[in-house]
Amino acid sequence: SYELTQPPSVSVSPGQTARITCSADALPKQYAYWYQQKPGQAPVLVIYKDIERPSGIPERFSGSSSGTTVTLTISEVQAEDEADYYCQSADSSDTYVFGTGTKVTVL
Amino acid sequence: EVQLVQSGADVKKPGESLKISCKGSGYSFTSHRIAWVRQMPGKGLEWMGIINPGDSDTRYSPSFQGQVTISADRSANTAYLQWSSLKASDTAMYYCARRRGWRSGWQYFDYWGQGTQVTVSS
Repeated sequence: SYELTQPPSVSVSPGQTARITCSADALPKQYAYWYQQKPGQAPVLVIYKDIERPSGIPERFSGSSSGTTVTLTISEVQAEDEADYYCQSADSSDTYVFGTGTKVTVL
Repeated sequence: EVQLVQSGADVKKPGESLKISCKGSGYSFTSHRIAWVRQMPGKGLEWMGIINPGDSDTRYSPSFQGQVTISADRSANTAYLQWSSLKASDTAMYYCARRRGWRSGWQYFDYWGQGTQVTVSS
């Protein structure tokens, strides 16, 4: 198995940009997916296949990938974006892993 | 409308057994695998295992292998997570989630249950 490491927290002012990284400790790199989880709620998918955005997710959410690190970017952050964010990946043997999670605080 | 509806919260004593459920509707239940995810109080998401409701083929995270049993009843469109002997450390929120697909790039969880809170306390 492998691990996905995220920064524990990111703080950002409204209207600014938040960037959350997710680093894998093993190759080969698989696709990454990102979830948003607000208190008391189930996670919601915000990015799939590294860079794709599901329907209904605001355009300010975007993803990128470089080497074994993927990044979730939230542009023009709004108060409602305050939440925990998790990356997730899978391997060819149908096993899955979640990242350590990042708490985004909107100042 | 795709829905995963989980059984209600439960309070158990250490050593007791428990089986919680996740009922799918609005889609072909045997066409998508169902995963179970643990979230301990104030902590992150942990993948526990995944089952193919069509043939009950199951994969477990090494962290949970032997600690829990995942099963499914395709006639009831329901997946289950069970413990034979609960510990206080099993206190957590448990989510079921539907896997979108098997191909690389589609191995994400697109629908989630509302969660089942399990509390184990003497």
